Amino acid sequence: LAKTTQPISMDSYEGQEVNITCSHNNIATNDYITWYQQFPSQGPRFIIQGYKTKVTNEVASLFIPADRKSSTLSLPRVSLSDTAVYYCLVGDPLNTGFQKLVFGTGTRLLVSP
Amino acid sequence: NAGVTQTPKFQVLKTGQSMTLQCAQDMNHNSMYWYRQDPGMGLRLIYYSASEGTTDKGEVPNGYNVSRLNKREFSLRLESAAPSQTSVYFCASRTAVAKNIQYFGAGTRLSVL
Repeated sequence: LAKTTQPISMDSYEGQEVNITCSHNNIATNDYITWYQQFPSQGPRFIIQGYKTKVTNEVASLFIPADRKSSTLSLPRVSLSDTAVYYCLVGDPLNTGFQKLVFGTGTRLLVSP
Repeated sequence: NAGVTQTPKFQVLKTGQSMTLQCAQDMNHNSMYWYRQDPGMGLRLIYYSASEGTTDKGEVPNGYNVSRLNKREFSLRLESAAPSQTSVYFCASRTAVAKNIQYFGAGTRLSVL
């Protein structure tokens, strides 16, 4: 599994856009990039997944440049409830048999009023 | 629509005691996982089960055993609890066709005194 590097923490204010970048220099051709969100005292929750270019859903956008060595999770107009830890994971979803997920320490986002 | 259900939510043990953490999913997923999360840390994989009838060690299996009772249930057993096993334990499941998307339970908070 490709190793990922994220900032340990980020601070923001309500209403701002937050961009969290993840570096994955050793990403393989078949790897997808997946982001999870974890609130205190809860299990991680899937946010978004992509392979290349841009993916958008009701929660976030994911930007992946052409070389795919990094990706950026974009949270538009954050609120206090977006305070959480965000994890970036990289792996091949179609790997035969089994897929383990390796969670790093993630990025702790703190949104203030 | 329960998803992944873990029991108990909280548990306090004395050193040397044994206990089993229960996990059940109702999404007909093939793969199931057990993670532990220590304060301020990411998740670490303890054991996993790629499909009913199979289990395998993850990153930190020492001191634990697992049983994949059927497709729905995957239990984690601590035979002789140690203070180093104080942690929050998460169970997760994934369907074979999902792209690295795991669904997590709410967690079991375990303290070993």
